[in-house]
Amino acid sequence: EDKVVQSPLSLVVHEGDTVTLNCSYEVTNFRSLLWYKQEKKAPTFLFMLTSSGIEKKSGRLSSILDKKELFSILNITATQTGDSAIYLCAAYSGAGSYQLTFGKGTKLSVIP
Amino acid sequence: NAGVTQTPKFRILKIGQSMTLQCAQDMNHNYMYWYRQDPGMGLKLIYYSVGAGITDKGEVPNGYNVSRSTTEDFPLRLELAAPSQTSVYFCASSLDVYSGNTIYFGEGSWLTVV
Repeated sequence: EDKVVQSPLSLVVHEGDTVTLNCSYEVTNFRSLLWYKQEKKAPTFLFMLTSSGIEKKSGRLSSILDKKELFSILNITATQTGDSAIYLCAAYSGAGSYQLTFGKGTKLSVIP
Repeated sequence: NAGVTQTPKFRILKIGQSMTLQCAQDMNHNYMYWYRQDPGMGLKLIYYSVGAGITDKGEVPNGYNVSRSTTEDFPLRLELAAPSQTSVYFCASSLDVYSGNTIYFGEGSWLTVV
């Protein structure tokens, strides 16, 4: 059974802190890993990672994939209260049909 | 840009009632999906469709049915609602799966069964 595990499940930090969110996966015929940010409504896309060791960046957010160790991290530097959200990790499997497995998410709370 | 549109946003059902959650996308995406998200949990796939006329079960299909008569629409039907179906439902769509395109989500439908 495909599995995606995120840690920690929740995190409280102060504005300006740097945080690292973890995602490990076990999926059949792994193709790519996606990160989403979910505030009160629908998840919004952050990154898609398909190759090991290549960092993707968007402003204060960055992410990297390690296909040998089967994990990914999402870094957020200089956190702001607007970063408060649930961050979801999902892994695509190319096992002959659609397979996108989500983790439970990490709830990040940034306090002033 | 409409993207993925879901209705209704909120609904309260009594046990045993039936209802349909509507989903429409205007991006000409072949792939459409229905997920449910329970509190503190990730998204679980209920049903998906790879094109008009083709649907398939996901991880948690029991108690639900879908149809895909057009590329744009992918309604989710709940028959004989049960309290275990209280959840937030997200419809999503994507261009395809194998080229790794991301999926786009609707705003969600909050359903309570009492």
